[in-house]
Amino acid sequence: EVQLVESGGGLVQPGGSLRLSCAASGFTFSSYWMSWVRQAPGKGLEWVANIKEDGSEKYYVDSVKGRLTISRDNAKNSLYLQMNSLRAEDTAVYYCARDCLSTCVDHWGQGTLVTVSS
Amino acid sequence: QSVLTQPPSVSAAPGQKVTISCSGSSSNIGNNYVSWYQQLPGTAPKLLIYDNNKRPSGIPDRFSGSKSGTSATLGITGLQTGDEADYYCGAWDSSLSVYVFGTGTKVTVL
Repeated sequence: EVQLVESGGGLVQPGGSLRLSCAASGFTFSSYWMSWVRQAPGKGLEWVANIKEDGSEKYYVDSVKGRLTISRDNAKNSLYLQMNSLRAEDTAVYYCARDCLSTCVDHWGQGTLVTVSS
Repeated sequence: QSVLTQPPSVSAAPGQKVTISCSGSSSNIGNNYVSWYQQLPGTAPKLLIYDNNKRPSGIPDRFSGSKSGTSATLGITGLQTGDEADYYCGAWDSSLSVYVFGTGTKVTVL
């Protein structure tokens, strides 16, 4: 069974940093692209970033470029999101997600809440 | 701001059918596969349809997907109270090099 478990969310002040982690199990982690998707309170889904199987390619939505960085450690079956220079508009539930072999997201974690507020 | 447009809400009585539209452009729906996701209240999204019209194992055939040009449609037949949820379409956008989700549609069972 595919399992994705996020951790690292919490309350942070504007301009602060946070690092999210995602522990993956139940599948060959190194064979899949992985993504982060977020959802602001009461709002829709927003794709944030994804990373190739070996970490050699990464894509980001414009609003996070230069501030959020996706990475992975295949030896630890883990996905990360380093979040710097956080803004109030980054407040959201962040989901770790596995990409389909074609273009979609086929498994999601339970999400971790990030709140940016003073 | 999402580049895929969906109606904010649709509703129907139990047992009836609803359809949800998703309108995009040639850079996303027009030249890439469309997926659909269901998000029940308070839970993570779940994949319903991928590659325009395929269902993952465990998804009932009451759910169907189709695509024509730069638009896609999700159909739900035999509507059940358990289908009350938010539904999102999604596709890769080749011009922006990002995955885009639709604006979301709330399904209400009357």
